Amino acid sequence: SAVISQKPSRDICQRGTSLTIQCQVDSQVTMMFWYRQQPGQSLTLIATANQGSEATYESGFVIDKFPISRPNLTFSTLTVSNMSPEDSSIYLCSAGEGPEQYFGPGTRLTVT
Amino acid sequence: RKEVEQDPGPFNVPEGATVAFNCTYSNSASQSFFWYRQDCRKEPKLLMSVYSSGNEDGRFTAQLNRASQYISLLIRDSKLSDSATYLCVVRAGANNLFFGTGTRLTVIP
Repeated sequence: SAVISQKPSRDICQRGTSLTIQCQVDSQVTMMFWYRQQPGQSLTLIATANQGSEATYESGFVIDKFPISRPNLTFSTLTVSNMSPEDSSIYLCSAGEGPEQYFGPGTRLTVT
Repeated sequence: RKEVEQDPGPFNVPEGATVAFNCTYSNSASQSFFWYRQDCRKEPKLLMSVYSSGNEDGRFTAQLNRASQYISLLIRDSKLSDSATYLCVVRAGANNLFFGTGTRLTVIP
C-alpha cells in the first residue's frame, strides 16, 4: 500500500492567481496521477506524471493551465494557473503500482 | 456517452437490508474493474476488485458480465457504517482509470 499526503488541504484564492499543490508518497512509484472532483461529480483525470518525462494530459486539460512537476519518484506538484471560479474543485493526487490506486486526502480549492 | 454510468441514487435502506448497485461501461476493451468507496469529504479507497468469476468479501459480492459490459455490487446485512458513496471504476489501459459518478448509500437505523 501507499500513504499519500497533500498540501495544502484547502485554500481560498482570488481569481487570476495561481496555486501549487504538493503531493508526497511514502514509497517510490513510477506513475502519479492528478484528478479533479467537482461538487457532485465523479473524478476526472487531469494528467499522468512520470518521473523524468513530461506529464501526459487528458483531453480538456493543458500544460499552460495545469503545469505539473515530477522531480523524483515520491513527489509531484500540480499548479492551477490563472484561476477562475470554475476551477473551484477538489484536486486529488493518486499513485499505484498494479491494479490498485491510492489517493491523497485531496486539496479543496475555492476561487473567489 | 460516458465511459462509466451508475445510478447516482441516493439509496436509503434500513439496517440489515440487502442492496445492489449496478454499473455499465462503454469500452469493450476495458481490462480491470473495481468498486471504490468514498466517504463524505474523504478520498476514494478501494473496496474490492471485480473478477469475471465473481468475488465475495464478507458481506460484499461483486460480479462482472463482460458480454453485457455490466458490473454489480451487492451488500448484504447493511450496517450504518456502510453509508458512503460507491464508485464504479474501470481501467481501459495502463493509465486510464474511468470513474462513475458514484452511488450514494445511506443506511438508516
